[in-house]
Amino acid sequence: DTGVSQDPRHKITKRGQNVTFRCDPISEHNRLYWYRQTLGQGPEFLTYFQNEAQLEKSRLLSDRFSAERPKGSFSTLEIQRTEQGDSAMYLCASSSGWGGNQPQHFGDGTRLSIL
Amino acid sequence: QQQVKQSPQSLIVQKGGIPIINCAYENTAFDYFPWYQQFPGKGPALLIAIRPDVSEKKEGRFTISFNKSAKQFSLHIMDSQPGDSATYFCAASIMSTGNQFYFGTGTSLTVIP
Repeated sequence: DTGVSQDPRHKITKRGQNVTFRCDPISEHNRLYWYRQTLGQGPEFLTYFQNEAQLEKSRLLSDRFSAERPKGSFSTLEIQRTEQGDSAMYLCASSSGWGGNQPQHFGDGTRLSIL
Repeated sequence: QQQVKQSPQSLIVQKGGIPIINCAYENTAFDYFPWYQQFPGKGPALLIAIRPDVSEKKEGRFTISFNKSAKQFSLHIMDSQPGDSATYFCAASIMSTGNQFYFGTGTSLTVIP
């Protein structure tokens, strides 16, 4: 179990640029979640996948955000035309999606800073 | 609208003390209540979780107390240690509908040696 891996750990970009983050879940997990966490707050749900299907999207996920999970393995989160308000920690989590107890295992996140 | 309300925002205890963190929810459809611990620069790590069919669960020094009628649950940390200093988040989810977590706003715990 190598855990959930996220890349990059830090991203600094200018306002208006596009950014893409990658998440590699725990290999046998079929559910993958994206959350956003701002300073002093708990993580907020953005979207989740069951295998390759994106099943739910939060209202927080504006049309500048897009997520994919091709082949049900790794996932990418892209933000187009970044804005100052996009500065946050973007967390990925995965779970097995089966059985009564479905803990989500989080990666260490990608910290995005918009200049 | 905050689905899960957490208090206190911060907590300072002496080593060996028993910090208690409280959470409350409104949605009676929630059926899974985990607690996560987060250190600076790291992602949240699962500590312990409970289902609403039990009133208490213990794992090591961590205990969750659950009051279904009051829609409240709390985390107790027995014999707290300086290494427990971190931010703690409660969460709630509905397991049958994707299990997205609704997190509380967090409690910053400091354990003084």
